[in-house]
Amino acid sequence: EDQVTQSPEALRLQEGESSSLNCSYTVSGLRGLFWYRQDPGKGPEFLFTLYSAGEEKEKERLKATLTKKESFLHITAPKPEDSATYLCAVEGMNTGFQKLVFGTGTRLLVSP
Amino acid sequence: DAGITQSPRHKVTETGTPVTLRCHQTENHRYMYWYRQDPGHGLRLIHYSYGVKDTDKGEVSDGYSVSRSKTEDFLLTLESATSSQTSVYFCAISGLGNTEAFFGQGTRLTVV
Repeated sequence: EDQVTQSPEALRLQEGESSSLNCSYTVSGLRGLFWYRQDPGKGPEFLFTLYSAGEEKEKERLKATLTKKESFLHITAPKPEDSATYLCAVEGMNTGFQKLVFGTGTRLLVSP
Repeated sequence: DAGITQSPRHKVTETGTPVTLRCHQTENHRYMYWYRQDPGHGLRLIHYSYGVKDTDKGEVSDGYSVSRSKTEDFLLTLESATSSQTSVYFCAISGLGNTEAFFGQGTRLTVV
C-alpha cells in the first residue's frame, strides 16, 4: 500500500528564516511526486511534479527536491504570504493510473 | 481555479437524506475525481472517472455513488447521508498524460 508521511505537522517561521518541509513516501514504483499548496477554505493549488530521484524544481522562494525515499520542499527567505498548508502526494504503479495518495500536510505560518 | 465549479459550496443535511454534489468543468479534461478531506486523514479519493460513463472506486467509496453523463459534469451522490460523511469534498480534474490535478474550491457538507 502506498503511503505518504509529512513532517513536521506544523512549522512556525519568522519572515526571512529559511527551512525545509519533509515528505517521506513508500510506493511500489513511483510515477510521480506532487506538491500542492492549500490556503484555508480553498482547494489545493498545484506547485510541482517530480518524477525521478535527483530531480529539482523551483518556483519563486520554493524549491522541491526528490530522492528515492523522500522529497523536500525548501522555502528560502519566506514571506507571510507563504503561510499555508503544503501537501505532498504520490502516484504509484499499484495505486493506478492518475490516482494520487496524499499526506496530511504541513501547516506553515510565517510571521512578519 | 482551472475552470472548475463545485455546487453547492455549503450544505447542511439530516441523517438518512440523499445528497448530490455537482462538479462542473470547462477545461474539457478527461479525468475527474472526488476527494474528501478530514483532519488527520488528508485528502482521500472517493471515486474517479476516466471518461463519460466510465467511473471507478477509490479508497473510501462505501456509501457514495457517482455519475458522469457529460464530459463537463461529475456528480457525487450520498444515497443516505450519515454523520461520518460530514467532511469537505473536493472535485479535481486532470488531462490525459498529465497527472497534476487541479482542484475546485470545495463543498463543506454537514450531516446532522
